[in-house]
Amino acid sequence: NAGVMQNPRHLVRRRGQEARLRCSPMKGHSHVYWYRQLPEEGLKFMVYLQKENIIDESGMPKERFSAEFPKEGPSILRIQQVVRGDSAAYFCASSPGSSDEQFFGPGTRLTVL
Amino acid sequence: GENVEQHPSTLSVQEGDSAVIKCTYSDSASNYFPWYKQELGKRPQLIIDIRSNVGEKKDQRIAVTLNKTAKHFSLHITETQPEDSAVYFCAASLTGGGNKLTFGTGTQLKVEL
Repeated sequence: NAGVMQNPRHLVRRRGQEARLRCSPMKGHSHVYWYRQLPEEGLKFMVYLQKENIIDESGMPKERFSAEFPKEGPSILRIQQVVRGDSAAYFCASSPGSSDEQFFGPGTRLTVL
Repeated sequence: GENVEQHPSTLSVQEGDSAVIKCTYSDSASNYFPWYKQELGKRPQLIIDIRSNVGEKKDQRIAVTLNKTAKHFSLHITETQPEDSAVYFCAASLTGGGNKLTFGTGTQLKVEL
């Protein structure tokens, strides 16, 4: 059973470009969470999604950031018009509906030049 | 919202000694407390968790204690080994699935030979 998959693992963008980060949850998991980790810091919650629904986006910046988890395919975290401050590791985690445990993917390390 | 504080930020022990990492939380409604280990450049991995209906849980060399009255919980690692060197994060959330994790700022543990 494959774990949580994320791609790309590394992404370099210039200021003003768009970044698209993908997350495929573990098989059988219907809940996806996105967290951001700045260098030398802990993980900060961004958004929680179920299939076709955003459940909690309280940690996501109101501007430039969006997330989706379509009926088919991976969850996508989209950052428009990236700025240097967006440079971070973005982790997604998944869980089955009724479980507390969240299992993390390997992360996407975004560098904005 | 929930706030989790973690101490110390760095911890250096000799191989074979014990290591203790402490966390406090602010929201008395929180009742699920996982601990994650993150090696450099890798994903956070769940190593142990505890729910508020128990005060202590042990898994081989790792144990976690919880004091709900004082709102603090601790990770204990006995007989430390070099491979225990990593960053450890505590977190807090509600149980029942579908709840965001609020993380502490992490403890860099170094086990020296």
